[in-house]
Amino acid sequence: DQQVKQNSPSLSVQEGRISILNCDYTNSMFDYFLWYKKYPAEGPTFLISISSIKDKNEDGRFTVFLNKSAKHLSLHIVPSQPGDSAVYFCAASTYSGAGSYQLTFGKGTKLSVIP
Amino acid sequence: KAGVTQTPRYLIKTRGQQVTLSCSPISGHRSVSWYQQTPGQGLQFLFEYFSETQRNKGNFPGRFSGRQFSNSRSEMNVSTLELGDSALYLCASSSVEGLYEQYFGPGTRLTVT
Repeated sequence: DQQVKQNSPSLSVQEGRISILNCDYTNSMFDYFLWYKKYPAEGPTFLISISSIKDKNEDGRFTVFLNKSAKHLSLHIVPSQPGDSAVYFCAASTYSGAGSYQLTFGKGTKLSVIP
Repeated sequence: KAGVTQTPRYLIKTRGQQVTLSCSPISGHRSVSWYQQTPGQGLQFLFEYFSETQRNKGNFPGRFSGRQFSNSRSEMNVSTLELGDSALYLCASSSVEGLYEQYFGPGTRLTVT
């Protein structure tokens, strides 16, 4: 049972345009959401996050939106640059007890920014 | 600060063998989590260690085990390797203050033949 879903395996965008990556989740206990970027042969790099008490968080060219009622979040990249080409993972955190917070990841969306 | 380091980066083993992977977290980070990444399943949580204690465990068979040392370095072990264990094994560390945000190492690519 996949609790975090990224339904688009890939996305192609022209340089300078907006990239929108989407993520849906099913577990109401998730209280914190994160986006990671991964280049080949490297580990995922933390990009941006949002608490469940907020609906928007912005960091430079990256903005994450959270719609709790729809259990949906999205990552907007404006403007998109060729260096943004990577696999983007959506992750959701929930408290697992004993002080432990567990991340559940989606399967990723491969973004290609075309010059 | 130096990032999370993992050794070795690449490993080839034969079915039935066992393997040990190592992870050194960011200095000051006491929580270490391990993940398995495969093309079909994405990143799947294996277990988390904090102060030498396993705090959480994912849905993996007992062949997968780990430990953490007093300096927060962690190892994971897979015994009786199967072909399906071929994957990228990622280690991530987090600080007490930033519990949600985990910082990943480059991973160990394990190939089982």
